[in-house]
Amino acid sequence: SYELTQPPSVSVSPGQTARITCSGDALPKKYPYWYQQKSGQAPVLVIYEDSKRPSGIPERFSGSSSGTMATLTISGAQVEDEADYYCYSTDSSGNHRGVFGGGTKLTVL
Amino acid sequence: QVQLVESGGGVVQPGGSLRLSCAASGFTFSSYGMHWVRQAPGKGLEWVAFIRYDGSNKYYADSVKGRFTISRDNSKNTLYLQMNSLRAEDTAVYYCANTEAAAPKHWGQGTLVTVSS
Repeated sequence: SYELTQPPSVSVSPGQTARITCSGDALPKKYPYWYQQKSGQAPVLVIYEDSKRPSGIPERFSGSSSGTMATLTISGAQVEDEADYYCYSTDSSGNHRGVFGGGTKLTVL
Repeated sequence: QVQLVESGGGVVQPGGSLRLSCAASGFTFSSYGMHWVRQAPGKGLEWVAFIRYDGSNKYYADSVKGRFTISRDNSKNTLYLQMNSLRAEDTAVYYCANTEAAAPKHWGQGTLVTVSS
């Protein structure tokens, strides 16, 4: 079955740039999406279709991809950005079977 | 304001059944595909199922295929997940979500399903 691979954890100091990666064989053909989940809350979409930001998401959140790797970048990370982040995509079979990465715990301290 | 409210969770014995509902408001429900996603306690997100806006196509994760059925009633703005032959590993918070370019966008707050004897 198709998998997306993320690092388990990333740690930065406030004001630094945090980068969270997501690798998957189908990413050159299928858009990645990124979600933020704070403790005890439902996930929130922060990046869709590789690099687009939904309304209300701060500009410090950006997305990019190259080949089989997608990256979520938080420029000038803030304490309130501490959360779990998940990438999402679909496999390359042409259907809508989704898959999430294992998640990355971002620590900002 | 998009609102998604899940209900129907609870405690069920292994092998039992449960039907989850997701009441939608604040958007044109009949125009959007819908997802179910679950999260086991202390674990990551797992995509469960997707249904197209008109119910014409349905897709499932391998872990639930043949046991779970996603459906919708556009006249009632409601999404369903019928879960049969439940197992301990199905214990999770179940979220419904509408779509942004086919991926989950707005999420409900979830409903907890516990499979235990």
